[in-house]
Formats: sequence, structure tokens, C-alpha cells
Amino acid sequence: ETGVTQTPRHLVMGMTNKKSLKCEQHLGHNAMYWYKQSAKKPLELMFVYNFKEQTENNSVPSRFSPECPNSSHLFLHLHTLQPEDSALYLCASSQAGNYEQYFGPGTRLTVT
Amino acid sequence: RKEVEQDPGPFNVPEGATVAFNCTYSNSASQSFFWYRQDCRKEPKLLMSVYSSGNEDGRFTAQLNRASQYISLLIRDSKLSDSATYLCVVKGSPRISGAGSYQLTFGKGTKLSVIP
Repeated sequence: ETGVTQTPRHLVMGMTNKKSLKCEQHLGHNAMYWYKQSAKKPLELMFVYNFKEQTENNSVPSRFSPECPNSSHLFLHLHTLQPEDSALYLCASSQAGNYEQYFGPGTRLTVT
Repeated sequence: RKEVEQDPGPFNVPEGATVAFNCTYSNSASQSFFWYRQDCRKEPKLLMSVYSSGNEDGRFTAQLNRASQYISLLIRDSKLSDSATYLCVVKGSPRISGAGSYQLTFGKGTKLSVIP
């Protein structure tokens, strides 16, 4: 059991829907991350939050909107997605300055 | 050149075999290196860090060659439970601005299947 949980585990949404992914870490970390993992591609870093402040937006389209209300929770708000956004979305956390990241189980997203 | 490059495999090996994976990275300024393991439909998990002098953890040995910019992972006496995808991970390239020290760049992974 990892200390990082994600909900929902699976999500199917239409291109006009709005949904949110939730991530929670119970490890006392102060950095959180969103990654996208598509088939045949490496993990792509999307967003980084350190101490609740967004420190990196890796050229992610605006249809993905992150929110970090506190060091333990991270959301990814989704709207007007495209079929090519279908992927596994992974949340991770770490101590700031520590490269070891702990991943959640991911949300498998399908956009129809 | 891709930032982190790995042979995707699959590597199909019998139980008890020794198998080695290599990984190359493009940024010569990279300082930290890791191997993560990802089981099918699961999240990645840290397997081991890679130190300049090389390091060993049980059946697993990791080595770093800075001059050639490659990292290796050797698995001895393969077990069925070793079947997974092995991800080579490098501290993010400085060209990715922001909290660079927190960013990891992942390879696509090498798939290993250990066969009975």
C-alpha cells in the first residue's frame, strides 16, 4: 500500500464533460507532481507543486488545470478534453530536495 | 537524441538467468540516476538509486559510466517476480525551468519477462 492515493481509479468522459482527479498523500511530503503516461511513451511530467506553489507547468494545454489547496492534496481539473488525452494520470509526492518520488496507483482516463 | 533512451525489449529470459539493461542519457550535467520498476497496470516504484561507484542490492547491481553517459542494471538469478518494466530515470534537464532539482526524466522503460 503506497502512501499516495488517487481517485477515481478509472474515468470515462466525453469531450464536453468536466471532471476532476484527486490525489492525496499521507507521507508528510511537501512536493507533489502530476504525470501523464501514454502507451509507448515515457512518463511526461505535467505539473510540480512545492509547498503548495506551482513551480512548473511543462507546456500543458489549458484544458488541464491543477489545484493544490495544501501540501497533502492535489487535484487535476479536466474540461473539453480530446481523445488523445486518454492515458494513465499518475500523481507523485516527495520531500522537497529529495529525488525519490512515491507514486499513486493512477487514474486511467478514457476520453470518448 | 532523446533525453533518456532505453531498449524497449521485451527481454524474455528463463528463471535463474542473468540479464542486463542499459540506458543512455543526453544531458552530461545530470547528477542523479535511478532505476524504477513498474508492474503491469501499476504505478512506478523506486528500485534503486545509481551511484558513481556502482552499487548493489541483493541480486541487483547498478552502474554509472559518466564518460559514456550510460547507466546499467544487472539482475542475477532472475525470478518470475522480476517480470516488470524497468524505467531508467535521470534528474531533469536544466532546460526545464522551475524547481529543476525536483524533476525526474523517465525513459520509456525496458520490459522484462522471466519465463519458468
